Amino acid sequence: EAGVAQSPRYKIIEKRQSVAFWCNPISGHATLYWYQQILGQGPKLLIQFQNNGVVDDSQLPKDRFSAERLKGVDSTLKIQPAKLEDSAVYLCASSQGRERPKGTQYFGPGTRLTVL
Amino acid sequence: AQSVTQPDIHITVSEGASLELRCNYSYGATPYLFWYVQSPGQGLQLLLKYFSGDTLVQGIKGFEAEFKRSQSSFNLRKPSVHWSDAAEYFCAVAEPGSWGKLQFGAGTQVVVTP
Repeated sequence: EAGVAQSPRYKIIEKRQSVAFWCNPISGHATLYWYQQILGQGPKLLIQFQNNGVVDDSQLPKDRFSAERLKGVDSTLKIQPAKLEDSAVYLCASSQGRERPKGTQYFGPGTRLTVL
Repeated sequence: AQSVTQPDIHITVSEGASLELRCNYSYGATPYLFWYVQSPGQGLQLLLKYFSGDTLVQGIKGFEAEFKRSQSSFNLRKPSVHWSDAAEYFCAVAEPGSWGKLQFGAGTQVVVTP
């Protein structure tokens, strides 16, 4: 079974530029998550989708971050404009559902973003 | 406030020695508990999880964890460490009924020496 796919793996941009990350979850997984992992910290949930609807985006900085999952499969996370403090690894995860045991999350390799 | 604490930022252990990583949480009710491992350039891999029942949980790669309600702890152990166990380990919790909102600790970096 293929795992969670993310691209690109690395991205370097200058501040005030925009950037987008792509995630393809495990086939059949209804729930998709985006996390931000700043160096030296644990991942922090940014947004959670159930199919193509947003379940929780309470920690998403909505003035500059946006995310969509139009057909309930792939998802994109965008930052516009980027700030220096956005430098982090952006992790995508998916799960079959939201209740145990289907709620177990499986993570992709992440996209490392560097903002100069 | 709800929190997850991993007191040890960095641990060095000799190959073949035992390993114990600490995790403490502060939640109103007993949460769901998880341990993940992250190798360089890799995503997070689930080692084990606890929902309820037997407080000693077995996971992959020879790891186990013990839930202690009285101490609000969920410590991870391995009897004999291999060089391939060098990685960063994260404890995570989720409130029952709020699965998706995993809250992670800051992680413990494990270095394995020959």
